[in-house]
Amino acid sequence: AQSVTQLDSHVSVSEGTPVLLRCNYSSSYSPSLFWYVQHPNKGLQLLLKYTSAATLVKGINGFEAEFKKSETSFHLTKPSAHMSDAAEYFCVVNRGGADGLTFGKGTHLIIQP
Amino acid sequence: DGGITQSPKYLFRKEGQNVTLSCEQNLNHDAMYWYRQDPGQGLRLIYYSQIVNDFQKGDIAEGYSVSREKKESFPLTVTSAQKNPTAFYLCASSLPTSGSDNEQFFGPGTRLTVL
Repeated sequence: AQSVTQLDSHVSVSEGTPVLLRCNYSSSYSPSLFWYVQHPNKGLQLLLKYTSAATLVKGINGFEAEFKKSETSFHLTKPSAHMSDAAEYFCVVNRGGADGLTFGKGTHLIIQP
Repeated sequence: DGGITQSPKYLFRKEGQNVTLSCEQNLNHDAMYWYRQDPGQGLRLIYYSQIVNDFQKGDIAEGYSVSREKKESFPLTVTSAQKNPTAFYLCASSLPTSGSDNEQFFGPGTRLTVL
């Protein structure tokens, strides 16, 4: 079975400093991995996805993630945090069939002024 | 504008009542999904449908029911059998599921509160 573990429930950074949100996955085959962002009381928006092409994936709003098979990780990074980045972030793995996605429990990103 | 709409945004229900949440999409997607979100638990799959007139249970289907009579619509009914229905409910859709990398598009959600 596929699963994801987000290693931090909350991350706090200062505006203008780098962001690192950590995600490890477990999969019996080569997975498809996603990062979604959710602002308060809103739906989810796709930031980026990995689908076995390039291991370094660039997404929207300056975010990127690197797929590391040897470490079973898919950490999300951004060089410089902006106040508008404050939100909940979900690491997600595709189940491989038709029944959708498996979500991590989320990381709440706090941006300090 | 293409997208997914959910209504209502906020919904209040008395214990023992059934309530139906609406989800409509105009993206021409075949697959649709319902998730439940609780604080600190991420999203959990309730039901999904790959095609009209067909749907399958997800991980937490007990106390819920769905229908898929039209491609663009996938309503969710929260029945009185659901023991703890207060939550944020999200609907999603995606292209045909033959590819494992198909992203899902999400609606804005409905917050259900049982009084």
